[in-house]
Amino acid sequence: SQQGEEDPQALSIQEGENATMNCSYKTSINNLQWYRQNSGRGLVHLILIRSNEREKHSGRLRVTLDTSKKSSSLLITASRAADTASYFCATVHYNQGGKLIFGQGTELSVKP
Amino acid sequence: EAGVVQSPRYKIIEKKQPVAFWCNPISGHNTLYWYRQNLGQGPELLIRYENEEAVDDSQLPKDRFSAERLKGVDSTLKIQPAELGDSAVYLCASSLGTEAFFGQGTRLTVV
Repeated sequence: SQQGEEDPQALSIQEGENATMNCSYKTSINNLQWYRQNSGRGLVHLILIRSNEREKHSGRLRVTLDTSKKSSSLLITASRAADTASYFCATVHYNQGGKLIFGQGTELSVKP
Repeated sequence: EAGVVQSPRYKIIEKKQPVAFWCNPISGHNTLYWYRQNLGQGPELLIRYENEEAVDDSQLPKDRFSAERLKGVDSTLKIQPAELGDSAVYLCASSLGTEAFFGQGTRLTVV
């Protein structure tokens, strides 16, 4: 069963623009994580935000978490062609042990 | 340090045949996951191990799928017999408790 629902399913932007992806979930979380997957490869962890945090930064990545709306967003600033990939949010829920549950993902295409 | 290693990378089999996937997690990682990923979808959890114990296998189709993690290290996932709908990428991941580290996956094609 998948908790995260991501929006949009696909996003196409020009190099240098910002990309924003959203993730919503259904039940209370312990933490929320974002992963990236290049075509034909495994997933790579990008950033983790805990339920008591509201915003986190890592390089060109900014993640926000709104637990009242059960949603998170991932912002990639000054995008590059190399950022082209699928991005997934994954949640860990208090009532489901350490299970890591993924959303359906957003496919980002950055055109040079 | 080596990451999560999976083999084989690709496998093509005929339906009704058995198939097995192998995963070597990062040394010291007590949590091991097997996921299945269909094209254009997110990974779907099949089974999660804490050391050698399967703590969550609710999504594993137990009539044809089995998994084991001997000595709490390497793990194998088996399908017998395979069906056309089992075609997917099978991902293994390991963790120390927070972020998960993924292998490259095994792409299974059932014909």
